[in-house]
Amino acid sequence: AQTVTQSQPEMSVQEAETVTLSCTYDTSESDYYLFWYKQPPSRQMILVIRQEAYKQQNATENRFSVNFQKAAKSFSLKISDSQLGDAAMYFCAYTTGSARQLTFGSGTQLTVLP
Amino acid sequence: ETGVTQTPRHLVMGMTNKKSLKCEQHLGHNAMYWYKQSAKKPLELMFVYSLEERVENNSVPSRFSPECPNSSHLFLHLHTLQPEDSALYLCASSPHHRGNQPQHFGDGTRLSIL
Repeated sequence: AQTVTQSQPEMSVQEAETVTLSCTYDTSESDYYLFWYKQPPSRQMILVIRQEAYKQQNATENRFSVNFQKAAKSFSLKISDSQLGDAAMYFCAYTTGSARQLTFGSGTQLTVLP
Repeated sequence: ETGVTQTPRHLVMGMTNKKSLKCEQHLGHNAMYWYKQSAKKPLELMFVYSLEERVENNSVPSRFSPECPNSSHLFLHLHTLQPEDSALYLCASSPHHRGNQPQHFGDGTRLSIL
């Protein structure tokens, strides 16, 4: 069974600094996809970034980037120039190309300090 | 405009009540999902619908009954719930039900069982 592990229940970062959130996963599949979702207090889950396993290049979306280490099965999220609006629960998620569902980690609560 | 709208936002009900949660998506997607989010736990997939056909049912108790009358609407009918069913219920949609499609989430319904 596939599992997704986020080992940091809580993290904090100073405004304008950089923070990295960790995620590891366990799979025997070769065709899979990884996602980071953000859930602010408004509760809506918002897609932050997505990585296809067949792509070696790390995905980037503005201040958000990932460090995808396929051999280590690691998928960390780096947030640069942190802003107060980045404060949220961040979930790492995994799926395969043929699957019908996402497998989520337990989340990391990020606090941004002014 | 989130694209995925859930009502009600909050619901308090007794264990003998019958109520329904509603989800509507305005994105032209063909797949819709119900998730349960409990405190300190990863999101749990409950049901998946693709083109109004249920394609996944993750061993959910029969006191939860989904209904998908068309590709834009999804309901979760609730009956004789238990206190442990108190949680945030999230609806999501995606273009197709294959895993590589990013899912778009609603704001959720916070359900409290008395």
